[in-house]
Amino acid sequence: QQQVKQSPQSLIVQKGGISIINCAYENTAFDYFPWYQQFPGKGPALLIAIRPDVSEKKEGRFTISFNKSAKQFSLHIMDSQPGDSATYFCAAGDSNYQLIWGAGTKLIIKP
Amino acid sequence: SQTIHQWPATLVQPVGSPLSLECTVEGTSNPNLYWYRQAAGRGLQLLFYSVGIGQISSEVPQNLSASRPQDRQFILSSKKLLLSDSGFYLCAWSVSGAYYGYTFGSGTRLTVV
Repeated sequence: QQQVKQSPQSLIVQKGGISIINCAYENTAFDYFPWYQQFPGKGPALLIAIRPDVSEKKEGRFTISFNKSAKQFSLHIMDSQPGDSATYFCAAGDSNYQLIWGAGTKLIIKP
Repeated sequence: SQTIHQWPATLVQPVGSPLSLECTVEGTSNPNLYWYRQAAGRGLQLLFYSVGIGQISSEVPQNLSASRPQDRQFILSSKKLLLSDSGFYLCAWSVSGAYYGYTFGSGTRLTVV
C-alpha cells in the first residue's frame, strides 16, 4: 500500500512534442505529490509538486494532473526540448513526512 | 538560504576497505537527513534517515551504517566494502515535520574494485 507505481520506464519524444509520465498510488493518506528531475551524475531536483485539493498545477511547460478518485497523477511536459532529457521521479508524501518514490522514467527528447 | 554539501564527488575503493561519506547542511536547524543509493539506471533506494542527533532509522539491512554526530552532519560508513556497494550515493535533507525543502546533494559516485 506504500508503493508508488511509475510508468513508462523509458520514453522517447520528438522535440516539440508532449511528454507524459504517469504515477499511481494506493494509500489514500498520501497528501503531497512532487516530481523530481535528475540529470546524469547529479542529484534529483524538485520540479513541481501538487496537493490533493487541486486537480492541476502548471509551471511553465510543466503540468501536474491529479485524479484523486483514480489515485493517479501525471506529469505533462509541453513543447518538449532536448534539455528536458533526464530521469523523472514521482513521489508521494505520507503522514510521517516521508517521500515514497516511483521507480523513475528516463526521458529522451529527440531533436 | 539552505545548502547541502556532500563529498567526495567520486571515490574508488578496493573490496574490504572502509568507507566514510559525509554530508552537511547549512542554513537550517534540526533538519531531517537521508541517505539514498542509486544503482546505475535505477531508482532511489532509501538507506537511512534521521530526525535528530543520534537518531538513525535503517530502511535496508546491509553492509552500511549511518551516524549523525551533529545536528547538520550525516555520515555514511562501512567497515568493509563489498562489490555490491558500488553505486551513486545521495544525501538529502528536509524541513523537520514537513515535506518542504526535500533537497538532494550532488551525490558521490562510489566504485568498489
